[in-house]
Amino acid sequence: EPEVTQTPSHQVTQMGQEVILRCVPISNHLYFYWYRQILGQKVEFLVSFYNNEISEKSEIFDDQFSVERPDGSNFTLKIRSTKLEDSAMYFCASSALDTQYFGPGTRLTVL
Amino acid sequence: DAKTTQPNSMESNEEEPVHLPCNHSTISGTDYIHWYRQLPSQGPEYVIHGLTSNVNNRMASLAIAEDRKSSTLILHRATLRDAAVYYCILREPGGAQKLVFGQGTRLTINP
Repeated sequence: EPEVTQTPSHQVTQMGQEVILRCVPISNHLYFYWYRQILGQKVEFLVSFYNNEISEKSEIFDDQFSVERPDGSNFTLKIRSTKLEDSAMYFCASSALDTQYFGPGTRLTVL
Repeated sequence: DAKTTQPNSMESNEEEPVHLPCNHSTISGTDYIHWYRQLPSQGPEYVIHGLTSNVNNRMASLAIAEDRKSSTLILHRATLRDAAVYYCILREPGGAQKLVFGQGTRLTINP
């Protein structure tokens, strides 16, 4: 069964550094999403992406965040200058239409 | 975003049916009722969704009240693997629509 994959599974970085989280969505899907979950808290929507454009973004998704689909298979989330409060699990998801399929997540730890 | 209300936690025994309730009294006419679950240390996983009629799939059944102000996710024979946080989410149809997660119901299954 096709699945969403994410790399790395765990990323440790210093505050102020840039990180890129990578996702490979399911191949025939057209809609892509990033969510995050701070330890012990709810899953929060960050951004949705369709047709090479951002469809919607949340208040969390400020100028420090960007997304890109650099080729036909990858979907990336970049955090330009990480803060301590960016430490969280980051989940990528994709959908053909309504049902979203999530990846296993990348645990980001900012020191 | 339309709100849902779920119990914080529920407990059941292995091989027994489980009924997980969700109230959504402010549901709009076009909102679909989606259920996702999150197993420990994993990303959210789609379970089922419906609009008005009851729905069945290999994982669960969804019973929707006639006035659509509430719904119940039914796991017919719970296994230990079904221990997870279950989220009831209202979502408008169409791609790129975000999922808004609440706290969900933490389901514990006793052996």
